[in-house]
Amino acid sequence: GENVEQHPSTLSVQEGDSAVIKCTYSDSASNYFPWYKQELGKRPQLIIDIRSNVGEKKDQRIAVTLNKTAKHFSLHITETQPEDSAVYFCAASHQAAGNKLTFGGGTRVLVKP
Amino acid sequence: NAGVMQNPRHLVRRRGQEARLRCSPMKGHSHVYWYRQLPEEGLKFMVYLQKENIIDESGMPKERFSAEFPKEGPSILRIQQVVRGDSAAYFCASSPSGTKNTEAFFGQGTRLTVV
Repeated sequence: GENVEQHPSTLSVQEGDSAVIKCTYSDSASNYFPWYKQELGKRPQLIIDIRSNVGEKKDQRIAVTLNKTAKHFSLHITETQPEDSAVYFCAASHQAAGNKLTFGGGTRVLVKP
Repeated sequence: NAGVMQNPRHLVRRRGQEARLRCSPMKGHSHVYWYRQLPEEGLKFMVYLQKENIIDESGMPKERFSAEFPKEGPSILRIQQVVRGDSAAYFCASSPSGTKNTEAFFGQGTRLTVV
């Protein structure tokens, strides 16, 4: 089955700096890669996703890149703000598996004011 | 659209009791997924259901755990004879399709504490 590795497990950045989180996956059939943000005690919320026919996607301060050959994808947050502090999860899925999500272990991001 | 509704939000059970967790998917969604999140860990897939069918239960523990999604009513995750290690947050997600890459919408979760 699919295996998703996520690094780093914790990330501390100064407000205004950029944050980068990297994930690798094992199943070359995976073709959908969402990123979720989870605040303490809350549900995971989708912040951005990318499909395998696209190499990069951007939404305001958030961008995701995908390298299918190397089987890795990354989340980039620019101009970080204190409200970006949360745990971020990458995930992978593919249609043949019914779109069940395999999650990475999470990255706890702390943005220091 | 009320979103994915889970209840109860918090559930306390003594060891050996049964826990029943409910999930009502978003309107128009017929695909339900259950995930478990242990403290300080990521989410792990448990089971994928459509109405009246279990499609994939590869993440379910072999004993004590069962799930259903009846024709009428919410999806139920049932844990019999709970143990301390079952303490976790259980999240349900729903999507409109299992054959196209679509966003999965998560409920607020049920936090199970076994004492």
